Formats: sequence, C-alpha cells, structure tokens
Amino acid sequence: ILNVEQSPQSLHVQEGDSTNFTCSFPSSNFYALHWYRWETAKSPEALFVMTLNGDEKKKGRISATLNTKEGYSYLYIKGSQPEDSATYLCAFLSYNTDKLIFGTGTRLQVFP
Amino acid sequence: EAQVTQNPRYLITVTGKKLTVTCSQNMNHEYMSWYRQDPGLGLRQIYYSMNVEVTDKGDVPEGYKVSRKEKRNFPLILESPSPNQTSLYFCASRVDRASYEQYFGPGTRLTVT
Repeated sequence: ILNVEQSPQSLHVQEGDSTNFTCSFPSSNFYALHWYRWETAKSPEALFVMTLNGDEKKKGRISATLNTKEGYSYLYIKGSQPEDSATYLCAFLSYNTDKLIFGTGTRLQVFP
Repeated sequence: EAQVTQNPRYLITVTGKKLTVTCSQNMNHEYMSWYRQDPGLGLRQIYYSMNVEVTDKGDVPEGYKVSRKEKRNFPLILESPSPNQTSLYFCASRVDRASYEQYFGPGTRLTVT
C-alpha cells in the first residue's frame, strides 16, 4: 500500500513568519510529486509538479524542493501572509499506477 | 476559460434513491478522476478514466459507477446511495497519466439521510 504522509497536520503562524512543511512518500518507482493549495470552500489548485531529484520550484513566496532518493519534499513559504491560509496537499504518482495518492494535508493558518 | 464543472454543487437525498453527479471538462484532457474527501482521511480516489470507454477502480469504488462515453464528460452514479456516502466529492482532470498538474472541479457536497 502506497502511503503519503504530511507533517505537521496543522500550523499556526504570525504574519511575516516563514514556514515549511514536509511530504514523505515511497522512494521506489517515483514518477512525480504534486503540491496543491486548497482554500476553504474552494477546490484544490496546483502549485507545483516535480519530477526530478533535486528539483526546486518557486512561485512568488512559495517554493518546494524534492528528494526522490529519500522520499521527501519540502514546501516553504517566506513571509507568510493571511491569504496564505489554506490546506497544502501533496500527492505522489508512481510508475506502477495511474493514481495520484494524496496525503491528508497540512492546514496553515496565518494570523495578522 | 479552462475549467472542470460539476453539478449539482449541493445535494441532499434519501437512502436508495439513485443519483448522478455530472462532471465536464473543456480542456480536451484524457485523464479524469473522481475523489471523495472525508475529514481526517484526505482525498481518496473512487474511479478514474484514462480515455473514452476506459475506466478503472480507484481506492474506494464500492457503491459507485462511472462512464466515459465522451472525452469531456465523466459522470458519477450512485445506484443506491447510503448514509456512508455522505461526503464532499471532487471531479478532476489532467492531460494524461504523466506528470501534468490536475485540475479540480468545484466540489459536490452530498448528504444521504
């Protein structure tokens, strides 16, 4: 059974703080790792799709790194803002399956 | 505008009354999926389709059916809904099985009493 784990489950930070969370996934048969941002009452939106070991991607204040050999990815938010409050999901795609396996997410709340 | 649409957005129904949740995408994507989201469990895949007339079970297919007669549409059918199918449902599509990002519909909140 493929398992994707995210930590922490939830995080409360002050506006301006930088933060990061972790996604752990199986290190074998890696194909791609997705990050999504999911705001309350909306649908998940893609942030990054990462495919290569050592990949680093950036979108504004949000960036992500990927280590496929050890099976983890970090998502960083620099200078958090209240509008960054959301649940951040990662999802793993292996060579052996067509299914994206989602973690349960990290819920971020940024207080002004 | 590129999008995935779902209808209805909210539905309250009774046990055993057949229902269909429609899903449509206008991006010519080959790959479409249905997920359910339950507290503490994350998104779990119900069914997916790699192309027209090609569908397969996801992790939680029991009690659901799907069809893919046209590339753009992927309806989810509950033949005899039960209270344990009360959930938030998302349809999603992506270009193909490869590494492209997935686009999600707005969600359907289903309550079965």
